[in-house]
Amino acid sequence: AQSVTQLGSHVSVSEGALVLLRCNYSSSVPPYLFWYVQYPNQGLQLLLKYTSAATLVKGINGFEAEFKKSETSFHLTKPSAHMSDAAEYFCAVSEAGTYKYIFGTGTRLKVLA
Amino acid sequence: DTGVSQDPRHKITKRGQNVTFRCDPISEHNRLYWYRQTLGQGPEFLTYFQNEAQLEKSRLLSDRFSAERPKGSFSTLEIQRTEQGDSAMYLCASSPAFSYNEQFFGPGTRLTVL
Repeated sequence: AQSVTQLGSHVSVSEGALVLLRCNYSSSVPPYLFWYVQYPNQGLQLLLKYTSAATLVKGINGFEAEFKKSETSFHLTKPSAHMSDAAEYFCAVSEAGTYKYIFGTGTRLKVLA
Repeated sequence: DTGVSQDPRHKITKRGQNVTFRCDPISEHNRLYWYRQTLGQGPEFLTYFQNEAQLEKSRLLSDRFSAERPKGSFSTLEIQRTEQGDSAMYLCASSPAFSYNEQFFGPGTRLTVL
């Protein structure tokens, strides 16, 4: 069965510092992978997606993620954190041929001034 | 394209009452999904439709839950005899037919069962 692990339920970074949010997945076949962001009392907004094309994926708001099959990882990074990046981030996996997402438990990002 | 909409945004009900939520997907999307999100957790899949056909249901979807998409457009999720454990955010998402399954989420309906 597919699963997604997000290490660190809370991450704090200083404004301007590197953001690194970790995601590991388990899947028996090459999956589709997604990162979503959720602001308080709102739905989820897609940041970026991996669909078996380029392994380095660029998304919105300066975020990017790298698919590493050997490590079964899809970590999210941003070179310089902004106060507006404070939110909860979810990694999700979907196997080709299925349509449901399996989400991780989320990482709440706090950006310190 | 106004995005996925959900109604109501908030619902407070007493234990034992029935509630119904509505989701309007993006108009050209033929797939529609329901998820449930509890505090501090990621969304959990409940069910999904392709057009009007309900193709998959999670075991989380007990007999008290029923979802419909009668004309392949909007969908409703009904919970009968609500329990306090049903308190959660209910999220709806939609996706187009020929995509990498990128799902677009609505703002959610927050249910509180007293």
